[in-house]
Amino acid sequence: EIVLTQSPGTLSLSPGERATLSCRASQSVSSNYLAWYQQKPGQAPRLLISGASSRATGIPDRFSGSGSGTDFTLTISRLEPEDFAVYYCQQYGSSPRTFGQGTKLEIK
Amino acid sequence: QVTLRESGPALVKPTQTLTLTCTFSGFSLSTSGMCVSWIRQPPGKALEWLALIDWDDDKYYSTSLKTRLTISKDTSKNQVVLTMTNMDPVDTATYYCARHMVGHAFDIWGQGTMVTVSS
Repeated sequence: EIVLTQSPGTLSLSPGERATLSCRASQSVSSNYLAWYQQKPGQAPRLLISGASSRATGIPDRFSGSGSGTDFTLTISRLEPEDFAVYYCQQYGSSPRTFGQGTKLEIK
Repeated sequence: QVTLRESGPALVKPTQTLTLTCTFSGFSLSTSGMCVSWIRQPPGKALEWLALIDWDDDKYYSTSLKTRLTISKDTSKNQVVLTMTNMDPVDTATYYCARHMVGHAFDIWGQGTMVTVSS
């Protein structure tokens, strides 16, 4: 089973700043099948990035994903007020599918 | 438009069996490559993937929960059912179903259903 470790646990930034979130896998993620989701309180997760770097439909281009193998990054270039939420990475290249423990992005 | 909706009891007692239904529209689970997964989230905690069923009726389960889980589908009703036996208070969570294709991320999620385990 692939264990995903996200860091930091909490990230405190101001609107307009750049956010960098990390996701490290315990073993290589097959075909870079790594996704990022955003979750706001009381809502279901929303797919942001799949295949490590492909934005989902309707996702603003300030969101970008990078990485391969075991190290992946989600970058939000300029934070908007609506971007403050919890972010999860997930690998879907092997079963069982697994999620990271999440990074909370909060307003500083 | 693709939608999924979870349904089931809001409250179950310890040791009981939980049965949840995911009713979907806008796609067919008989389409090659199509899958539906169940995911849960305890209050204030992270997402946990539970189980997956695909168009070919192949089933995959969480390593830690596989002895308690059963996933099935009724293609004619556009439903996927998850049963979890021997419920415990630690199973209190919001349970989500989500659609995805083989080799793709979970693109559409239901709104979730909250299940509380308490006597």
